[in-house]
Amino acid sequence: DQQVKQNSPSLSVQEGRISILNCDYTNSMFDYFLWYKKYPAEGPTFLISISSIKDKNEDGRFTVFLNKSAKHLSLHIVPSQPGDSAVYFCAATIQNTGNQFYFGTGTSLTVIP
Amino acid sequence: DGGITQSPKYLFRKEGQNVTLSCEQNLNHDAMYWYRQDPGQGLRLIYYSHIVNDFQKGDIAEGYSVSREKKESFPLTVTSAQKNPTAFYLCASRMISGGPHTGELFFGEGSRLTVL
Repeated sequence: DQQVKQNSPSLSVQEGRISILNCDYTNSMFDYFLWYKKYPAEGPTFLISISSIKDKNEDGRFTVFLNKSAKHLSLHIVPSQPGDSAVYFCAATIQNTGNQFYFGTGTSLTVIP
Repeated sequence: DGGITQSPKYLFRKEGQNVTLSCEQNLNHDAMYWYRQDPGQGLRLIYYSHIVNDFQKGDIAEGYSVSREKKESFPLTVTSAQKNPTAFYLCASRMISGGPHTGELFFGEGSRLTVL
């Protein structure tokens, strides 16, 4: 059973506008969440993370929001750039056990120039 | 530069053959992982290891084997028992010692295995 879900397989956004990528999870024990960016035929690269003690974390153009009651997190990219076009995976884990990182199925973002 | 090196990047195999994918890291990370990616699916965990000479099965370990004889190396063998081995394989590592901080996973570039 998929514990981390990304229900939008793809998203297209105009350059300069905001991109919002969504992720839902089912396990309330998850307390650490990450976003990864992946280009074709390459390994994912870490983008940003958030601990469950926070509801927002910001790094430059990237902001992750966490809504624990809804078991939902989102990644905002502002402004979107053509180089942001990639597949984005969200992941979740339980700190201190840390054995498993559960990944969503990914959202393919296309930023149109 | 520090990082994770996977080889080969592309590999073709005939049915019935075993193949070993290499993963080496010079990040001094404690834990190493093997994931498999298929189209339209998330990354699925095959095996992981937190210390040398110890490893654990992930969600889809059947048909795979691993070893962890050295901290920096975690090779994956795809055996003939794996029914659908054609996939993109990703090796990852992370630091787990030194406190409760989980640490993010660092990934290699991946190995694409195609069974003919």
